[in-house]
Amino acid sequence: IAGITQAPTSQILAAGRRMTLRCTQDMRHNAMYWYRQDLGLGLRLIHYSNTAGTTGKGEVPDGYSVSRANTDDFPLTLASAVPSQTSVYFCASSDGSSYNEQFFGPGTRLTVL
Amino acid sequence: GQNIDQPTEMTATEGAIVQINCTYQTSGFNGLFWYQQHAGEAPTFLSYNVLDGLEEKGRFSSFLSRSKGYSYLLLKELQMKDSASYLCAVMDSNYQLIWGAGTKLIIKP
Repeated sequence: IAGITQAPTSQILAAGRRMTLRCTQDMRHNAMYWYRQDLGLGLRLIHYSNTAGTTGKGEVPDGYSVSRANTDDFPLTLASAVPSQTSVYFCASSDGSSYNEQFFGPGTRLTVL
Repeated sequence: GQNIDQPTEMTATEGAIVQINCTYQTSGFNGLFWYQQHAGEAPTFLSYNVLDGLEEKGRFSSFLSRSKGYSYLLLKELQMKDSASYLCAVMDSNYQLIWGAGTKLIIKP
């Protein structure tokens, strides 16, 4: 692993189904983030974690949950997917310093029908 | 509320210079970032400004005026590979990034 990986690359999902998007980083970064990116809108923060064992809500957290059991993994779960959750999802990490450059994973393209 | 404004799309010619502007209103300021995002790919870091002035890095430069809530990204000697979206983001008082919608830059031969 080099950097951040996400899985799956893309997924088509029926509305109402549960889905977990996976994110793993090998940079030993303290902070991790989940964003969604929709056409015409900026990246919007869903949830974040400043360190293992802690999580926080971002701008658009409804319908999503996260966990941070260890430093490397930060899965995002959609408990019951809805069509408005169709988006490209990016996971990112940073070392948590004030400089806070964020490194992004390749993204997951999710379509909810 | 918090707001980041940048033009939706710009067109420039290969070999030329282009300036992409970004204005912001945020709750607190802990730095401004520019990222590049090619279609279908992840954003990648270009520059970071926390003090007023110009930061130069090769063909790319970024300028910040905190009093005006304004930044620009200057790209020189444009190449076809510079065709991408350029994202402006401000780190707010909670050290979270607030993102603009991005500027799609189209380079013509």
